Amino acid sequence: AQKITQTQPGMFVQEKEAVTLDCTYDTSDPSYGLFWYKQPSSGEMIFLIYQGSYDQQNATEGRYSLNFQKARKSANLVISASQLGDSAMYFCAMREASANAGGTSYGKLTFGQGTILTVHP
Amino acid sequence: AAGVIQSPRHLIKEKRETATLKCYPIPRHDTVYWYQQGPGQDPQFLISFYEKMQSDKGSIPDRFSAQQFSDYHSELNMSSLELGDSALYFCASSLGLQDYAYNEQFFGPGTRLTVL
Repeated sequence: AQKITQTQPGMFVQEKEAVTLDCTYDTSDPSYGLFWYKQPSSGEMIFLIYQGSYDQQNATEGRYSLNFQKARKSANLVISASQLGDSAMYFCAMREASANAGGTSYGKLTFGQGTILTVHP
Repeated sequence: AAGVIQSPRHLIKEKRETATLKCYPIPRHDTVYWYQQGPGQDPQFLISFYEKMQSDKGSIPDRFSAQQFSDYHSELNMSSLELGDSALYFCASSLGLQDYAYNEQFFGPGTRLTVL
């Protein structure tokens, strides 16, 4: 079963407007982390924002904010004041707790299918 | 600040050839992850190492093997290459922490492998 679902294959937004990229997840682990990455056409994976399952407040990083609704298992990315340079693929990813007996975490990331964002001038 | 280094950045191979991808994690990072991203797809986890030991394994073909060395760099060895192996291969590194709450994975720029 898909653990991370991004239902919007593509999104369009006008420059300077806000846009929300959807992400829902599925886990039974009480401790997990949610990440958003941006992948421009050049291919690199750029970390944008992180939300921990125990965080009480929604994460914000500059123009990026994460609308975390734990009961609905959603972690939508909101980009305010879109810029032309925001045009890229956006991936939502989840890391579930993966600890050995010593308690150290080194869990892999599971990615959603991605959303291509196009910002129009 | 130092980032994750991957080499080579681009690699072209023929079918049935072998390839070795290298990853140099951020200094002091003890955990390395390998991901494969096919054209138009999301990254898929292949394998990870913590303190030079394999810590997790994903959908890595038997034709692939990997290891982490004493200096924490890692190599992904791919044999009997197939056309379907053409992809962007990412290495990521992180610091294994007791507190799971925030443990960002820093991605390298990727190695783009083309199998002809």
